[in-house]
Amino acid sequence: AQSVTQPDIHITVSEGASLELRCNYSYGATPYLFWYVQSPGQGLQLLLKYFSGDTLVQGIKGFEAEFKRSQSSFNLRKPSVHWSDAAEYFCAVAPIQGAQKLVFGQGTRLTINP
Amino acid sequence: DSGVTQTPKHLITATGQRVTLRCSPRSGDLSVYWYQQSLDQGLQFLIQYYNGEERAKGNILERFSAQQFPDLHSELNLSSLELGDSALYFCASSQDQSPPIQYFGAGTRLSVL
Repeated sequence: AQSVTQPDIHITVSEGASLELRCNYSYGATPYLFWYVQSPGQGLQLLLKYFSGDTLVQGIKGFEAEFKRSQSSFNLRKPSVHWSDAAEYFCAVAPIQGAQKLVFGQGTRLTINP
Repeated sequence: DSGVTQTPKHLITATGQRVTLRCSPRSGDLSVYWYQQSLDQGLQFLIQYYNGEERAKGNILERFSAQQFPDLHSELNLSSLELGDSALYFCASSQDQSPPIQYFGAGTRLSVL
């Protein structure tokens, strides 16, 4: 069965520090990959996506993610976090063929220290 | 603003009751998806409709049903509610493209007391 693992439930970083959120997936074939962000009381906003091609993808708000096929990983990074980045981050996958349902990881809650 | 509208934002009801959650997709989007977010199960796919027809089904209980109307808005009906149905219910929509990108509404928070 498809699964997505976000090993870190909660991460705290200082404002201005770099950030890396981990995501590993288990799938029969390389799926489509996504990162979403959920701010308190808000819906899910798409940060970035990987479908094919360059394995380093750029997203909104200064985020980027790198797809590593050999490690079945799609880690999210940001060079310097801002207090407004405090939120919950979800990694998700969708199959290339068949039903386009998203399978989500459990999420990583990001806290920013001033 | 994603362009996906969900109403109501909050819903408080009692066990055994029935509620209807509504979703208006982004203009031009033919697909609507429903997801449930709960503390113990996380974010789970419930069901997808495409242009009025059911396209995919996930972990949706038999007490739950959905439909998509000719104007493409969708409703999720939850009946015989139990305490465990308390959750945040999200609707997402996407265009008819491959790969599809799902845009999410702000959700409806359901509290069953």
